[in-house]
Amino acid sequence: DGGITQSPKYLFRKEGQNVTLSCEQNLNHDAMYWYRQDPGQGLRLIYYSQIVNDFQKGDIAEGYSVSREKKESFPLTVTSAQKNPTAFYLCASTSPADTQYFGPGTRLTVL
Amino acid sequence: GQQVMQIPQYQHVQEGEDFTTYCNSSTTLSNIQWYKQRPGGHPVFLIQLVKSGEVKKQKRLTFQFGEAKKNSSLHITATQTTDVGTYFCAGHNGNKLVFGAGTILRVKS
Repeated sequence: DGGITQSPKYLFRKEGQNVTLSCEQNLNHDAMYWYRQDPGQGLRLIYYSQIVNDFQKGDIAEGYSVSREKKESFPLTVTSAQKNPTAFYLCASTSPADTQYFGPGTRLTVL
Repeated sequence: GQQVMQIPQYQHVQEGEDFTTYCNSSTTLSNIQWYKQRPGGHPVFLIQLVKSGEVKKQKRLTFQFGEAKKNSSLHITATQTTDVGTYFCAGHNGNKLVFGAGTILRVKS
């Protein structure tokens, strides 16, 4: 069953702690993306990766970091430098037809 | 940089009424995509339009791409409660998709 998985679905962290969100895909897609969605808002691009061992900053990269050591995996770390980390985080990959497939998302709440 | 504007931000309709959301880009688009996000869910790809003036239909949904390839619309005929959610348009800017802010549709039964 092909798709994108994100874990966990809900995540709670204390202020000042780093947290890593998982994103795995078995679609054999080269490109992967991380978005942030705030209530009632659109999708804002955090980081993206076109190929293994390479990634670029999106529009709101400050306070976040990523790695792309394997084609299947694109984890996102929300660092303590991110001022307002509470949000819904969506991972996506792009098909050869340039359409995006999204994971189910992780809802992060910082207490 | 490229901007994609979407209106209205929010629309509440009676079941059976029609609904339209509009998308405008600051630059000419190579293609435009539409996604739907159900409440509590994640965006799901609906359709891609590529040609100038293109019109595509999916059951009660009609998608249009403007002649100048800078605007697009999604029209739903006779809305149903299953249509609730947020509808996003998105256009390419190099390797990135730029999303509109979305239109939230609520349907009263």
